[in-house]
Parts: sequence; structure tokens; C-alpha cells
Amino acid sequence: EPEVTQTPSHQVTQMGQEVILRCVPISNHLYFYWYRQILGQKVEFLVSFYNNEISEKSEIFDDQFSVERPDGSNFTLKIRSTKLEDSAMYFCASTLTGGDYGYTFGSGTRLTVV
Amino acid sequence: AQSVTQLDSHVSVSEGTPVLLRCNYSSSYSPSLFWYVQHPNKGLQLLLKYTSAATLVKGINGFEAEFKKSETSFHLTKPSAHMSDAAEYFCVVSAGSGNTGKLIFGQGTTLQVKP
Repeated sequence: EPEVTQTPSHQVTQMGQEVILRCVPISNHLYFYWYRQILGQKVEFLVSFYNNEISEKSEIFDDQFSVERPDGSNFTLKIRSTKLEDSAMYFCASTLTGGDYGYTFGSGTRLTVV
Repeated sequence: AQSVTQLDSHVSVSEGTPVLLRCNYSSSYSPSLFWYVQHPNKGLQLLLKYTSAATLVKGINGFEAEFKKSETSFHLTKPSAHMSDAAEYFCVVSAGSGNTGKLIFGQGTTLQVKP
């Protein structure tokens, strides 16, 4: 069964450093998403991406965040200057049609900012 | 705005006994509702989904959920718990915001299964 692949599975970074989280969505999917889950809290929507542009973003997704689909297979989330409160599990997801079903989530990247 | 509330943060059952995980939703229109499961160090796996067809939805691994509009509930049940069911369970509603497909998650319920 096709999978969404996220790398790395764990990342530790120093506060203020830039970090890039990588995702390879399912190859024929067209809509891409990032969610995050701070330890002990609910999973939160960050951003959706379609046709090479952001289609929706949450209030969490401020100027320090950016997304990119640089080569037609990868989908990246960049955090420009990490803060302690960015420590979380980040999930990538993709869908074919952009509907609310048919989501496939990756296994997540656990980001720890020290 | 759409939201979901999971009424129990932690549920503990004995193996072989029924499981009930409770979820109430709030939506300004007919919602799409889902249950996802997250095993330790794993991704989010779809258990089942309700999208305005049959109100009783059957999912994987023997789980099912019933959509009750009058009670705005979408509780998850399983007749007999297995040790492998121990995980975090999320009730999820579609935000319905056009075609972006944004999902809104509940707080999660940790299911513990005792031998």
C-alpha cells in the first residue's frame, strides 16, 4: 500500500537554528498538508498546499514557517528560526482530491528544540 | 466552526471486554467524521469514516461507530478488546473549508487494555 514517508524520524536542533522537515507524499496525490502535535496536546492543522501554493494556513503558521514542493516529489516544511515551543511531532499528509477523506498520514518527525 | 470533544482522556478496559470511546461534535452543517488511531511511535491510521451514508459505520479491526445527529455524537465501540488495541484514539471532524480538506482533531483518548 502506498505510504507517505517522512524524514528524519527524530531531529534535535538548537534554538534559533533553521530546520527542514521532509516528506514524500503519495506519488499521484495533489493536496499536501502539515499538522503538528505538541506533547500532550491535540493534533493541529498547520497548512495545506495545492498547485504549488498555500491554499489555507492556520494562525500558528506565521512568517517563520514556509512550505515548498521543490521537485515534484518532496514536500518540505521549513522553520526559519526555531523556538523551544516548536518542539512537537510534525505530521505530513496527502490526498488525491483534497476532500476530507482519503488522507494518508506519514509516521511523523519528532522535532526537539534545545 | 466545527469542533470535536472527546469526553475521556483515558479509558482502561480488560482484554475481551467491550470498548467505548466517546466523542461529541459541533458542526454548522452535516459533518464528515472520522476516527484515527495512533500506536506508539507510529503514524495516524484511519479506523473509519462517516460521510452522510449509513449512520452505523464499520471500520478496521472490529471497530464501529454510530453517528447520532440528535445527540451530536460519534462514539467508537468494539465488542471485545485485544491487547493490540492499546493506543491513542482521535475523533476528527472535517473543517469543511472548501476543498482544502482541513481536519480538526479532538484531544485524544488513551486506551489501555489490561490482560
